[in-house]
Amino acid sequence: GEDVEQSLFLSVREGDSSVINCTYTDSSSTYLYWYKQEPGAGLQLLTYIFSNMDMKQDQRLTVLLNKKDKHLSLRIADTQTGDSAIYFCAEGFDTGGFKTIFGAGTRLFVKA
Amino acid sequence: DAGVTQSPTHLIKTRGQQVTLRCSPKSGHDTVSWYQQALGQGPQFIFQYYEEEERQRGNFPDRFSGHQFPNYSSELNVNALLLGDSALYLCASNSRFTGELFFGEGSRLTVL
Repeated sequence: GEDVEQSLFLSVREGDSSVINCTYTDSSSTYLYWYKQEPGAGLQLLTYIFSNMDMKQDQRLTVLLNKKDKHLSLRIADTQTGDSAIYFCAEGFDTGGFKTIFGAGTRLFVKA
Repeated sequence: DAGVTQSPTHLIKTRGQQVTLRCSPKSGHDTVSWYQQALGQGPQFIFQYYEEEERQRGNFPDRFSGHQFPNYSSELNVNALLLGDSALYLCASNSRFTGELFFGEGSRLTVL
C-alpha cells in the first residue's frame, strides 16, 4: 500500500542547516513534494521533484531522492526562525486520475 | 494572479446536518482535489475531479461527494455529519500537464 513516514520533530539553531527526512513505500509515484504549513494556514508548496530525478536545488532548499531506499530528504540551508513550521512530505500518483499521499508532518523548531 | 480560494473559512454544524464547501482553482488549472486534515495529522486524500468527473477517490464513505463545474470550480458535500468529520478541509488544484499542486487556505469545519 501507499504509506509515507516522517519523524515528528526536529530542533535546530538559527543559521544551521536543517535536514528533514521521509520514507515511502510505493515507488510508482510520479512526483515527490515538500510542503510547509504554518499555524492556522493552508499548505505552501516549497518544491517538488520528479521521481526519475536524484536531486533538485532551489535557493536555500535542496531535495535528495534515493529511489533504491525510497528515501526523500529536504535540506534547508541557513535556517531562520521564520522557517519554524510543519513540513509535509508527499507522493503524487498520476495514474489516470491524480492523488497525493501525505506523511504526518515534521515539526521544525528553530532556536534563536 | 489569484491562487486557490475556498469558502467559507470557518463553519459550525451539528451532527446529522449537511455541509457544502466551495473551491475556485488557481488560474490556468483544470483539476481540483479535496483533502481532509484532522488536527495534528497530514492531509488525507478524499477525491479528485477533472472534466467534471470524479477521477480518483480515497478511503472516504459515500457521505462525501463532490462536483466540478464547467468553470473548473468545485464543491465538496458531506451528508449526515459526524463528530469525527471535524477537520480542516483543503482544496488543491493543478494543471493536468504539470505536477505543481497548489492548496487553498482551507475551510475549518466544527461538528458539535
